[in-house]
Amino acid sequence: AQSVTQLDSQVPVFEEAPVELRCNYSSSVSVYLFWYVQYPNQGLQLLLKYLSGSTLVKGINGFEAEFNKSQTSFHLRKPSVHISDTAEYFCAVSSMDSSYKLIFGSGTRLLVRP
Amino acid sequence: SQTIHQWPATLVQPVGSPLSLECTVEGTSNPNLYWYRQAAGRGLQLLFYSVGIGQISSEVPQNLSASRPQDRQFILSSKKLLLSDSGFYLCAWILDGTEAFFGQGTRLTVV
Repeated sequence: AQSVTQLDSQVPVFEEAPVELRCNYSSSVSVYLFWYVQYPNQGLQLLLKYLSGSTLVKGINGFEAEFNKSQTSFHLRKPSVHISDTAEYFCAVSSMDSSYKLIFGSGTRLLVRP
Repeated sequence: SQTIHQWPATLVQPVGSPLSLECTVEGTSNPNLYWYRQAAGRGLQLLFYSVGIGQISSEVPQNLSASRPQDRQFILSSKKLLLSDSGFYLCAWILDGTEAFFGQGTRLTVV
């Protein structure tokens, strides 16, 4: 079975500062990795995903993430955040078996302050 | 094109009343379908998934059930709602594990 741990429930940061949202996973099979963002009272939007190839993945809105297989991590980074980045961020893994279950972490609330 | 429909968008139901949420997809056949719930201030919890008609797998034992009467239809039900059933329910269609399409969600408030 897969599981996802997002180590920080809330990350406060000042505008234009860099940010890193941490994600670790465990799985007995190979997985695909995802980051989603949820703005208040809205659904989920895909930020980026890692399927294979280069371990550094670039997504929308200036976000990027790096897959580290040895540390089973997939941390999300942005070099300079904006007020509009305030939202809930979810890390997720999907199994490469026939169920293709997508398992989410508990989420990290990014709070960008002026 | 591939689309997923989920309704209703919001729902207020009294404790003990039944529930039926419907999800349908277009643009594919035999999709893998999933129901998730997000309680207030919490992450997304996988409730049920289905890899085909009549095939339902439950991830968490609870007051809910799911059915898949047709290839592109997935229904979430309850016979008697509890206060703890309140939350944001999302239907998803996951393509080969590499891509997920989500419905707009249903915000359920049990009063």
